[in-house]
Amino acid sequence: ETGVTQTPRHLVMGMTNKKSLKCEQHLGHNAMYWYKQSAKKPLELMFVYSLEERVENNSVPSRFSPECPNSSHLFLHLHTLQPEDSALYLCASSQVASGGAGDTQYFGPGTRLTVL
Amino acid sequence: GQNIDQPTEMTATEGAIVQINCTYQTSGFNGLFWYQQHAGEAPTFLSYNVLDGLEEKGRFSSFLSRSKGYSYLLLKELQMKDSASYLCAVRDIRALDMRFGAGTRLTVKP
Repeated sequence: ETGVTQTPRHLVMGMTNKKSLKCEQHLGHNAMYWYKQSAKKPLELMFVYSLEERVENNSVPSRFSPECPNSSHLFLHLHTLQPEDSALYLCASSQVASGGAGDTQYFGPGTRLTVL
Repeated sequence: GQNIDQPTEMTATEGAIVQINCTYQTSGFNGLFWYQQHAGEAPTFLSYNVLDGLEEKGRFSSFLSRSKGYSYLLLKELQMKDSASYLCAVRDIRALDMRFGAGTRLTVKP
């Protein structure tokens, strides 16, 4: 496979469930990102991992927990979510520190999450 | 912080030209990106500007004026498949920090 892949593509969960979203990048990049995209709102950056260390957390609620075991894989662990967490969750990767357009972020297809 | 503004919706005719504007405010500018996003799909990279001027890529061009905090994406010879949302994104001087506008939904009509 090429590019950035995400599984599952669709997920419906109850507020008491625990689930995980998976992202894998096949581009040899050294940074990975989680974004939340809600209807008619800008993409919201949730987490960034660069060289497998988390370098930014934009005050995301603790019910979202990221994990980055290596530079190619990224997870988002979900527990006790709220209905307002329903959104499209996008993963992206980039090659940091290359400068210019080399830092372009490439996105996966997203996971459409519905919290009941 | 960063404010990024772009029109919510635009409509244009097949074969025509459309310009999508983006204005931004940032404390440390380090590049502006345009992405295309079809409904239910991932954003895909279109263009990148870091210096003032016009960058041309086939039917798509992007312009940047850093002094005015302004960019536009120009789409020529519109095709029906160009109907999508177009996202403007600004990268902060900390290269990992990128902020997106809410997107402009473009509808191309026959």
